[in-house]
Amino acid sequence: QSALTQPASVSGSPGQSITISCTGTSSDVGAYNYVSWYQHRPGKAPKLMIFEVSNRPSGISNRFSGSKSGDTASLTISGLQTEDEADYYCCSHTSSSTWVFGGGTKVTVL
Amino acid sequence: EVLLVQSGAEVTKPGESLRISCKASGYTFTSHWITWVRQMPGKGLEWMGKIDLIDSSTKYSPALQGHVTISADESINTAYLQWSSLEASDTAIYYCVRHALGYTGWHFFDYWGQGTLVTVSS
Repeated sequence: QSALTQPASVSGSPGQSITISCTGTSSDVGAYNYVSWYQHRPGKAPKLMIFEVSNRPSGISNRFSGSKSGDTASLTISGLQTEDEADYYCCSHTSSSTWVFGGGTKVTVL
Repeated sequence: EVLLVQSGAEVTKPGESLRISCKASGYTFTSHWITWVRQMPGKGLEWMGKIDLIDSSTKYSPALQGHVTISADESINTAYLQWSSLEASDTAIYYCVRHALGYTGWHFFDYWGQGTLVTVSS
């Protein structure tokens, strides 16, 4: 069970949009619409940002959106703000009835 | 308010046993699976395993099967993660996490504990 593949880092200026990719296989990301995304700031517990590919929990800004095509899911942050600086992780259910996280992406606001 | 409150930091030696806990409140304990996630130093999040609190059935990551045990005590709304013989590579922050029900299943996590730092060093 290998970790999902995410870019190590993504950066953007305030107000810009960035997209983080999350590539898996036909046994996880490609098999189900069960991709979720988490924001993790240092010293804090991770926070759910997107569930089931594209759904936002209550209280999450609509600047965060998710999508999926084939074996690759994506998280887009639009109107980038300094408070968006954090690590972001994707996670998928797998055909083995387990879950697998991505390696994480560090988002930097320039 | 849903809360998952984990036990405090631990410093142990290789070969020792350990059990850390996660006490849930603010919801019906048996209604949501609990998963354990670890973060090794400088690394990303890793799914370890989960427990169904209705029948205490468990599922583990293949990489950790046999090395850790997940259990729960429904009478005190507490889940556990335990080791019988720790290794230095078990040094990590461990999070307990509640599964949430989405539109089509229980495949994401909505509430996280504050994390328990376990340090294994001789």
